[in-house]
Amino acid sequence: DAGVIQSPRHEVTEMGQEVTLRCKPISGHNSLFWYRQTMMRGLELLIYFNNNVPIDDSGMPEDRFSAKMPNASFSTLKIQPSEPRDSAVYFCASSLVYPALTTLTGELFFGEGSRLTVL
Amino acid sequence: AQKITQTQPGMFVQEKEAVTLDCTYDTSDPSYGLFWYKQPSSGEMIFLIYQGSYDQQNATEGRYSLNFQKARKSANLVISASQLGDSAMYFCAMREGSAGNMLTFGGGTRLMVKP
Repeated sequence: DAGVIQSPRHEVTEMGQEVTLRCKPISGHNSLFWYRQTMMRGLELLIYFNNNVPIDDSGMPEDRFSAKMPNASFSTLKIQPSEPRDSAVYFCASSLVYPALTTLTGELFFGEGSRLTVL
Repeated sequence: AQKITQTQPGMFVQEKEAVTLDCTYDTSDPSYGLFWYKQPSSGEMIFLIYQGSYDQQNATEGRYSLNFQKARKSANLVISASQLGDSAMYFCAMREGSAGNMLTFGGGTRLMVKP
């Protein structure tokens, strides 16, 4: 079974350039998350979607960041313009949201991450 | 206040010995779940074990067990019979019932297994 697929795996760009990170969640999952990992701040939730609808974007750093989920099988995280402080590993994760009173754990399945370096 | 606290930045353990990684959490939500993830040097995040707030027994998955002490708000991960491949970062995370399906992560503990 295919897991969460992210692209690109590595991206090196110059300050001011636009960066687009892509994610394909696991088929059948209805919840998608974007996390950012840095040494200083650890793993931070940027935004998450339920059924393609953004639920919580309070972690998005500023207006330079935007995320979309046009359908259940695709999401993008865009940074425009990029800055050196955006350098990080960006993870996409998906899970199955289910009604309460179930034994399912609802764990998040992570992609391999996109390592972004902004020079 | 931090919702998830992992007080051990790094730990060493001798191969074949058991090790406990600490995690404390803070929530007023009666319904929550606690997770442990492993991140090896290759970078992927691997789900290890889950404990629900209403679960009566401590969770176990192979060599992993979760020492859940609800009154103390702690959810420590115990790895038995450590192996060299257990060397990695370990993250504790929490999902609160009122906060949707998002996970909040602790700062992580780097475990190094000595041969």
